[in-house]
Amino acid sequence: NAGVTQTPKFRILKIGQSMTLQCTQDMNHNYMYWYRQDPGMGLKLIYYSVGAGITDKGEVPNGYNVSRSTTEDFPLRLELAAPSQTSVYFCASILGNNSPLHFGNGTRLTVT
Amino acid sequence: AQTVTQSQPEMSVQEAETVTLSCTYDTSESDYYLFWYKQPPSRQMILVIRQEAYKQQNATENRFSVNFQKAAKSFSLKISDSQLGDAAMYFCAYRSAQKGTYKYIFGTGTRLKVLA
Repeated sequence: NAGVTQTPKFRILKIGQSMTLQCTQDMNHNYMYWYRQDPGMGLKLIYYSVGAGITDKGEVPNGYNVSRSTTEDFPLRLELAAPSQTSVYFCASILGNNSPLHFGNGTRLTVT
Repeated sequence: AQTVTQSQPEMSVQEAETVTLSCTYDTSESDYYLFWYKQPPSRQMILVIRQEAYKQQNATENRFSVNFQKAAKSFSLKISDSQLGDAAMYFCAYRSAQKGTYKYIFGTGTRLKVLA
C-alpha cells in the first residue's frame, strides 16, 4: 500500500515551459487536493476534487489546471511556468469525514 | 471564510523541557476538526494530533497534548519532554465537519528548534 505518490521529487523549469506534476493514490480515496507551500506562507489550496470527473478551484488556482479522469490520479498541469510558481507542491487525499489527510512527499519546483 | 493564525514564526526549547505552540482560528461553524501537523526537514507531513470541536476533553498523544478553548477559538500544542527529533515546522489546520469538500485550511507554521 503506497499511499499518495508524487512524481517528480524535484524539477527545474525555464520560464514559459509547461509540465505536469503527477499524483496517484491507491487507497480508493474520493477527495484529492493540490497545495503549494511557499516559505513563511503555509499551505495554500490550488485545486481539489471530490471524485472522478469533478474538480474545483481552491484559493490560488491561477496558472494551473487539473483533471480527474480516475479515482486514483489527480495530475496538476502548469501551462506557462512563471517564477511566481516556484514552490513546493503537495498532493493529498482523504477518504471521508472521519479519516486523516494523507500527503504525498512533495515536489520541489523551481522556475528560472 | 475560515482562517488559521499562527503568530509564532519560530520557537526554541531546551531538550527535555516543555514548549507550547499557539494557534488561533476564526470560523462561524460550530462543528469542525482541528489538527497539528509536523513537517521535518524531509518535507513529509505527519499528523501529530487532532481534536473534534464537539469534544470538550483535550486530545493527548504521548508527549503531545492540546489546549482547546472553543469560545476563544484557540488551539495550542504542548510538547512535553522535548526531544531533538521534535525539531520541525508545525502547522495548525482547520477542517469543517460538514459533509462536502473536506478542505483543510493551514496556518503559516511555527519552526521549532530543540537545543541540546
